[in-house]
Amino acid sequence: NAGVTQTPKFQVLKTGQSMTLQCAQDMNHEYMSWYRQDPGMGLRLIHYSVGAGITDQGEVPNGYNVSRSTTEDFPLRLLSAAPSQTSVYFCASRPGADSYNEQFFGPGTRLTVL
Amino acid sequence: GQQLNQSPQSMFIQEGEDVSMNCTSSSIFNTWLWYKQDPGEGPVLLIALYKAGELTSNGRLTAQFGITRKDSFLNISASIPSDVGIYFCAGLAGAQKLVFGQGTRLTINP
Repeated sequence: NAGVTQTPKFQVLKTGQSMTLQCAQDMNHEYMSWYRQDPGMGLRLIHYSVGAGITDQGEVPNGYNVSRSTTEDFPLRLLSAAPSQTSVYFCASRPGADSYNEQFFGPGTRLTVL
Repeated sequence: GQQLNQSPQSMFIQEGEDVSMNCTSSSIFNTWLWYKQDPGEGPVLLIALYKAGELTSNGRLTAQFGITRKDSFLNISASIPSDVGIYFCAGLAGAQKLVFGQGTRLTINP
């Protein structure tokens, strides 16, 4: 098992550009989520999905879109990047909504918006 | 919204020393989780706590779920160089959304 994989590892964007952060898991987990991590702050939930075809907003969803067409993939889209979206982004997956003891995080994508 | 206050923000210790860090909140949580994050990696779960008063160990790590359900602490005994990293607490109050603390950065002098 590769676990949770994220691409790219690093990305630099200009303000206004769009891009998609990829996340994939090969553990057949139903629950996937996206977090952002900023200096001096804990991880904050952006969007999450309880299964294919179902997504919902987290704590800081503005400026981000998600979709879940398959169990394996959960891409995060930035429609028009802003400097405030400079952050490290982590994708996570777990078998079900309550199985936090089996939650795995990806290695992260470090995004800089100029 | 719910917030967790994690302290200390950073620690500089000598190898072999014991470490203690804690998280407090004004809100009640049903689950407490402790994670460690190495540089350039995602967080990895260390210990999960599900019941008020619960004390759980994982090797040299011990964590407790506070009786009031508003706090938790993590202890590391006899620290070693590979303990270096950022430690996060996280609480779950319901609605399947974790709230994370700000992290404690641990640095160890050999």
